[in-house]
Amino acid sequence: RKEVEQDPGPFNVPEGATVAFNCTYSNSASQSFFWYRQDCRKEPKLLMSVYSSGNEDGRFTAQLNRASQYISLLIRDSKLSDSATYLCVVNMGTGGFKTIFGAGTRLFVKA
Amino acid sequence: EAGVAQSPRYKIIEKRQSVAFWCNPISGHATLYWYQQILGQGPKLLIQFQNNGVVDDSQLPKDRFSAERLKGVDSTLKIQPAKLEDSAVYLCASSLLAGASDTQYFGPGTRLTVL
Repeated sequence: RKEVEQDPGPFNVPEGATVAFNCTYSNSASQSFFWYRQDCRKEPKLLMSVYSSGNEDGRFTAQLNRASQYISLLIRDSKLSDSATYLCVVNMGTGGFKTIFGAGTRLFVKA
Repeated sequence: EAGVAQSPRYKIIEKRQSVAFWCNPISGHATLYWYQQILGQGPKLLIQFQNNGVVDDSQLPKDRFSAERLKGVDSTLKIQPAKLEDSAVYLCASSLLAGASDTQYFGPGTRLTVL
């Protein structure tokens, strides 16, 4: 089993749609969680951190369920510019940590 | 504020040759990471430095890969000798501190092709 697993995708959605991505992680000692966005042939950039209480940034909502070891990202009112790969990132370990990226979920938003 | 700088941006070599990549992190950032990203996969952590000490190198293939961060600033990653399966983008990232909640900022990467 992979340490961080994401929906395989790709997701093809029309503009204005709501889309949700899921991510599961294997290590219950994981410390912190993030969603990064990666455009084609570009470097990953932080989209948002994921907090236990859930957090929202404009059209983006992230949630964490530690009991189920599950993270989600919800994008509302999708824009063409949201087309990208979304990477789930988990910092695992106690004391020190190791950063583990999921394989990413590709999103295509079409007009 | 200047971002993470990497060079070269592209490199093509033949198998069994050697190659080196350079990274200059954001000024003042204590932690530096090297990742390997193979096409279609997420980045895989190769090595993590805090200042000039190695924090984690458990996924670094030490028979052929080496990395150093002299003086706790710039870093180099070397592959010697290269194999076909080393073809990937090598990403350098840095974070201000060494905490698990710190944001990692990535450089543009070096795209390596091994023929």
